[in-house]
Amino acid sequence: DSGVTQTPKHLITATGQRVTLRCSPRSGDLSVYWYQQSLDQGLQFLIQYYNGEERAKGNILERFSAQQFPDLHSELNLSSLELGDSALYFCASSVATQGPNYGYTFGSGTRLTVV
Amino acid sequence: GIQVEQSPPDLILQEGANSTLRCNFSDSVNNLQWFHQNPWGQLINLFYIPSGTKQNGRLSATTVATERYSLLYISSSQTTDSGVYFCAVEPHTNAGKSTFGDGTTLTVKP
Repeated sequence: DSGVTQTPKHLITATGQRVTLRCSPRSGDLSVYWYQQSLDQGLQFLIQYYNGEERAKGNILERFSAQQFPDLHSELNLSSLELGDSALYFCASSVATQGPNYGYTFGSGTRLTVV
Repeated sequence: GIQVEQSPPDLILQEGANSTLRCNFSDSVNNLQWFHQNPWGQLINLFYIPSGTKQNGRLSATTVATERYSLLYISSSQTTDSGVYFCAVEPHTNAGKSTFGDGTTLTVKP
């Protein structure tokens, strides 16, 4: 157990639907990162939050949104789902954004299948 | 954006052999990490190494930031080392956005 908890582990949903993926970071970590892993695109950075504030944004689709709550857990919302959104969605956390203690700890991922 | 190239893309070894994986990047970086994705999909952080050399058991890594590359050494490989090894870099110009390479797929045969 890495200490980063992602739920659910698997999700199957239909095109056009909306889902919410949840991530609880490792205790003490303030930064949360979301990544999408698909066969054709590899691991793609979506978004980063630090202590509740959006810190960096990648090529995240407008249909996707995220937030980090006061208790530091984060949610990734995916709407108007398309077949191409099927992928593994990973959350990672880190205690800081740089420095000797920097380093991602990944959760086990949520496998999303859009049918 | 920053380009990250990993080589070789695939590597097959016999148990007990040594290997070197390479990560080249196109811009100055704040952070560099190496990860192992096991056959069950779990991503494990191996090293945070923006510069210098680190060792952890049979694994060691060296980053030469001025020449924009990093190396991951695996000695006395075991079947449990199989999986995909990723390098991830965060450029100076894009703090917070770590870009992953395409990975090296390692297969260790008994």
